[in-house]
Amino acid sequence: AQKVTQAQTEISVVEKEDVTLDCVYETRDTTYYLFWYKQPPSGELVFLIRRNSFDEQNEISGRYSWNFQKSTSSFNFTITASQVVDSAVYFCALSPSTSGTYKYIFGTGTRLKVLA
Amino acid sequence: DSGVTQTPKHLITATGQRVTLRCSPRSGDLSVYWYQQSLDQGLQFLIQYYNGEERAKGNILERFSAQQFPDLHSELNLSSLELGDSALYFCASSVGSAGGYEQYFGPGTRLTVT
Repeated sequence: AQKVTQAQTEISVVEKEDVTLDCVYETRDTTYYLFWYKQPPSGELVFLIRRNSFDEQNEISGRYSWNFQKSTSSFNFTITASQVVDSAVYFCALSPSTSGTYKYIFGTGTRLKVLA
Repeated sequence: DSGVTQTPKHLITATGQRVTLRCSPRSGDLSVYWYQQSLDQGLQFLIQYYNGEERAKGNILERFSAQQFPDLHSELNLSSLELGDSALYFCASSVGSAGGYEQYFGPGTRLTVT
């Protein structure tokens, strides 16, 4: 089965707190891509990051960082010193490859509320 | 602004009707993807086209069809509409066809079936 699980439905934090959004995926494919997207209240999804299955390096971009661990099939996203503008729904997505054809499987999303 | 445009922004129609949603990808992007976002089903991948050809299929119902035209814009046709088809429909585009390309999403079309 191919699946993405975001167990945290909603998280509330106070501004400047750090917060980690969890993402666990399932796939039997050896080649796949993982993504995070942000959906702010305006509704349009915004690409944040992609990772391929052969690159387990963690990545940091400003206040955002991502931890990819194949051993636990997880691709977690941490926001450091959260800000009110980070309030949004965040989606983790998996794009597994089957015979060279990719499909796109999104998690159910985590709603992050950052309170001033 | 992602550069992906979708029309119309809102659509209200009755059960049994047929509607067409339109998407123009970012300049230079050859792939177009369609997604359905509803409260109970989350974000569901429907279908992908690359340079006019169907490339991948997700959970698209038989009542739904799509195509990509030579100018690369795409249309999603929804027929015999049911109440459960009410949702936000997103179009996204990317440069390539493989799974590793980042996708740029349009603002969505909110479809309400009454």
